[in-house]
Amino acid sequence: DQQVKQNSPSLSVQEGRISILNCDYTNSMFDYFLWYKKYPAEGPTFLISISSIKDKNEDGRFTVFLNKSAKHLSLHIVPSQPGDSAVYFCAARQIQGAQKLVFGQGTRLTINP
Amino acid sequence: DAGITQSPRHKVTETGTPVTLRCHQTENHRYMYWYRQDPGHGLRLIHYSYGVKDTDKGEVSDGYSVSRSKTEDFLLTLESATSSQTSVYFCAISNPNQEQYFGPGTRLTVT
Repeated sequence: DQQVKQNSPSLSVQEGRISILNCDYTNSMFDYFLWYKKYPAEGPTFLISISSIKDKNEDGRFTVFLNKSAKHLSLHIVPSQPGDSAVYFCAARQIQGAQKLVFGQGTRLTINP
Repeated sequence: DAGITQSPRHKVTETGTPVTLRCHQTENHRYMYWYRQDPGHGLRLIHYSYGVKDTDKGEVSDGYSVSRSKTEDFLLTLESATSSQTSVYFCAISNPNQEQYFGPGTRLTVT
């Protein structure tokens, strides 16, 4: 039972354009969502997060949007840069949980020059 | 960077042998986690700890045990390694903002 799903295993975007990574979830008890970025042979690094009481959070080139009614979140990267090429994981935390996160399968983003 | 180290970084072992992976943090955070990463599965929680000697199972805990005798160290043990446990293992800590920060990973191969 995959509670957090990233249905696109890979995405290719031209440098300078917008990258949009999507994530769907099924558990309405999730109250906090995070995006992580992972380079090969390194651990995931925290990128940006959003609470369920918000619908948008922005940090520089990165914006996360949350649509609770659709149980969908997305990460926008504008403009995309070659260094953004990595695997991106979305994650969700359950209300009143023990600070456990549930991760999606990941999307490999490739930025083409 | 969060102060998390993992050892060893790479290990090759034979089926049936015991293996222990170590995670060490310098941040004095209460929560620590062990995940495995496999293609098509993302990161899956094995075990986590919410304090010294306080641990609980994650979604893929079968075949694994953990121990936490000090705040800074969280050990993951495979009592009898199997080929299905070949994976990349990540340790993480959770800061007071509930964001998790990951170590560099341990690549384990069970032959």
